[in-house]
Amino acid sequence: DIPMTQSPSSLSASVGDRVTITCRASQSINSYLNWYQQRSGKAPKLLIYAASTLQSGVPSRFSGSGFGTDFTLTISSLQPEDFATYYCQQSFSTPPYTFGQGTKLEIK
Amino acid sequence: QVTLKESGPALVKPTQTLTLTCTFSGFSLSTYGMRVSWIRQPPGKALEWLARIDWDDDKFYSASLRTRLTISKDTSKNQVVLTMTNVDPMDTATYFCARIPTADDSWFDYWGQGTLVTVSS
Repeated sequence: DIPMTQSPSSLSASVGDRVTITCRASQSINSYLNWYQQRSGKAPKLLIYAASTLQSGVPSRFSGSGFGTDFTLTISSLQPEDFATYYCQQSFSTPPYTFGQGTKLEIK
Repeated sequence: QVTLKESGPALVKPTQTLTLTCTFSGFSLSTYGMRVSWIRQPPGKALEWLARIDWDDDKFYSASLRTRLTISKDTSKNQVVLTMTNVDPMDTATYFCARIPTADDSWFDYWGQGTLVTVSS
């Protein structure tokens, strides 16, 4: 398995803020890194795949970057609907796939 | 459009076998590159990948659960079935099925709504 570590575990921010969430892999995973948003009681939603490609229909305020072991998800200007939990997931090589422990984004 | 929906028992007793069905539409699991996975989430905890089945019937399992899981597909019914033997209260979770749309990478682009399974006597 490739453990994934997200930071911070939780984050308080205000509408309009720029926020960054970090995900670190225990070994190089090239660009095999995906990001999901999960609102309370709902299924996860794919935001970014292959480290930096925006999924169709996802607002452009979301962006992803990184390669190797260190990756970031950035929300350029927080909107009320962005308060949720965010997960990274590595898809390097064959399974098993692993997720980060999640980052809960809360309203300040 | 692509949809997936999980079904199965809401409550199972310890040591029993859990059978979950993912019924999907909008794609075919006989199409090259298509794959379906099961992922679970214990209450208040993170996501955990469980198993994957591919268009060519290749199968992959979580190392820690490999001996207890079986994944299968019925292409004619557009269904993927996951069985888990000898369940324990630690298996209490919401179980999701999700689609992987490409053979070249493994991101989950469509998810079912999830089904909550409680393991309790």
